Amino acid sequence: GAGVSQSPSNKVTEKGKDVELRCDPISGHTALYWYRQSLGQGLEFLIYFQGNSAPDKSGLPSDRFSAERTGGSVSTLTIQRTQQEDSAVYLCASSLDRGADTQYFGPGTRLTVL
Amino acid sequence: GESVGLHLPTLSVQEGDNSIINCAYSNSASDYFIWYKQESGKGPQFIIDIRSNMDKRQGQRVTVLLNKTVKHLSLQIAATQPGDSAVYFCAENSGGGNKLTFGTGTQLKVEL
Repeated sequence: GAGVSQSPSNKVTEKGKDVELRCDPISGHTALYWYRQSLGQGLEFLIYFQGNSAPDKSGLPSDRFSAERTGGSVSTLTIQRTQQEDSAVYLCASSLDRGADTQYFGPGTRLTVL
Repeated sequence: GESVGLHLPTLSVQEGDNSIINCAYSNSASDYFIWYKQESGKGPQFIIDIRSNMDKRQGQRVTVLLNKTVKHLSLQIAATQPGDSAVYFCAENSGGGNKLTFGTGTQLKVEL
C-alpha cells in the first residue's frame, strides 16, 4: 500500500517568509510524528500527534514552529519568519497506534532558507 | 542527559563480507530499539526492531543483538551487498514514550 508522503519535496524560501510543509500518513495510522534532520546529523524529534491532538510538542525549537493535524490524517508543519538555521530536511513518520512503536518515514521535505 | 550514540561513524566492508554496526545507549529505561537505513535523499527505512525482553532477533540477512548489561546494540548484516550502502541509525523509544531518540548514524560503504 501507499507509504507516508510529504510535499513539497524541496522548498527554497527567503529569510523571514513563512512556509508550510505537508505530511500524508499511512492510511489508518493514528500516530504521526515530525522530525528534523540537519546535514550529516541524526534526527531531532519535533512533535507527536495522536489523532488530532499533540500530547508531546517538546521538540519544537521556538514559537515560530507550529503544527496541526486534521481529520486524524494530514498534518501541516508551519514555520513562521524562517531563519537560515531552519534549513534542514523535515521528516514525517506515522505508526499504527500509540502502542505500535514502529514508525514509518516519508521521504522528507528539504527546506533551504536563503 | 540520555543519549544514543554510535561507536564508528564510517564502516567500509568488502562485498560478500559480514558487517557489524554498533550502537551504545545510556537510558537504562529504554524498552524498544530500532534500526533504520537511510539512503541519500530518502527517508529512513525500517530494518529491524527489538524489545528489551529479548537479546537477539533475526530478519532477512540482518540480526540485531541487544546487550542490556553494557547498554549495547548491534546490527549484523550478512553477505553485505552494494545495495546495503547507506547510513544506518539506531534509535530508542525510551520508557514507552512515543518519540524516537536517534544516534548520529554510521555510514556503511560496500567495496566491490
